[in-house]
Formats: sequence, C-alpha cells, structure tokens
Amino acid sequence: AQSVTQPDIHITVSEGASLELRCNYSYGATPYLFWYVQSPGQGLQLLLKYFSGDTLVQGIKGFEAEFKRSQSSFNLRKPSVHWSDAAEYFCAVGAASGTYKYIFGTGTRLKVLA
Amino acid sequence: DADVTQTPRNRITKTGKRIMLECSQTKGHDRMYWYRQDPGLGLRLIYYSFDVKDINKGEISDGYSVSRQAQAKFSLSLESAIPNQTALYFCATSDSAALKNIQYFGAGTRLSVL
Repeated sequence: AQSVTQPDIHITVSEGASLELRCNYSYGATPYLFWYVQSPGQGLQLLLKYFSGDTLVQGIKGFEAEFKRSQSSFNLRKPSVHWSDAAEYFCAVGAASGTYKYIFGTGTRLKVLA
Repeated sequence: DADVTQTPRNRITKTGKRIMLECSQTKGHDRMYWYRQDPGLGLRLIYYSFDVKDINKGEISDGYSVSRQAQAKFSLSLESAIPNQTALYFCATSDSAALKNIQYFGAGTRLSVL
C-alpha cells in the first residue's frame, strides 16, 4: 500500500539549533516528493520538491531535503532554525505518471524556543 | 490577490444543513482538488477534477459532492452536514501541462458542524 510516514508528531528545538524532520514513504512507482509548510492560520506553501537528479534539493527559507532511495526517505533539514519556522510540516508523495494524486504524511508540528 | 481563493474562510453550521464551500483560481490550471485536514491525520483527498467534464472520487468522498462549474471554479458540497465533518478544508490546483504536478493550495476553510 502507498503511504507516507512522518514519525515525529511534535518536535521542539531552540532557535539557532539545527533541524531534521523525517519522512519515509512506501510507493510502488517512481515518486515525486514534496515538503509543504503550514503556518498558523495559513494554507500550505511548497518548501521544496524532488523529481529526479541530484538527491539533495534546496528549497525556500533555507530548507533542504535529501532523497535516499535505499531508505525510502526524504528528510527535511535546516542548519539554523528561526522562530518564524514554527509551523506544521507535511511530506507528500505524488505519482510520476497516471493520476498524479498526492499522498500526505500526518504532519510534524515544530515548536521553536527563544 | 491570492491565486487560489477559498470562500468562506470560516463557517459554523448545524447538523443536517446543506453547505457549499467554494474555490476559484486565477492560475489557469486544469486540475483541481479538495482535501480535508484533521489533526493527526494529515490531508486526505475528497474529490479531484482533471477538467470540467472529469470528476473523480478520492479516498473519503462519502457525504460530499462536488461541482466543476468552470475551469476556474470547483465547489464542494455537504448535502447534510454532520459533526464529524468538522475539519479544515483545502482546495488545490495543478497544471497538467507542467508535467510535474505541483499542487498549489488555497488558505483553507475551517468548518465547524454543531
């Protein structure tokens, strides 16, 4: 079955600390991979995406993610977290062909301590 | 102005009432989607439409119906609302011509069914 797992429901980090949010997927075909961020009261904003090629992708707001096919993972990282990064983060998998539907993970809520 | 606009942003209704959530977009995309977000469950697909004449059920379509009035408009209806339909609803769009199926989201409609 196709699925996306975000094992951490909540993560708390101090401002300036590094961050890694985990995402694992189960998908039969070649996936497209996405990270979205949802700030309080806002919609979902695309942070970054992976389609093919270089497995380390850069996104907006200083975020990056690394695709590891052998581990079926697409973890999101940021070297130094800012207070404004407090939000909920969603990993999603989309098909490279066919219906193009997304499957979302359950989200990770990030809290940033001053 | 937002590219994907959802109205209303917030709605409180009573059990048994009919309610419509509306989505309009100025991105010129042909594909539109409706998701609901529940805490701890992430986003789940309700319906999607690949063009005006193509509407498909998602994973949780029971209790919902949709109408694609034009390429730019996609409405979600709850014919007889029930409390477990209380959720945050998102509309999204994507462009099949862009191949990569990046989905762009509206700001969401928070619905409470009493």
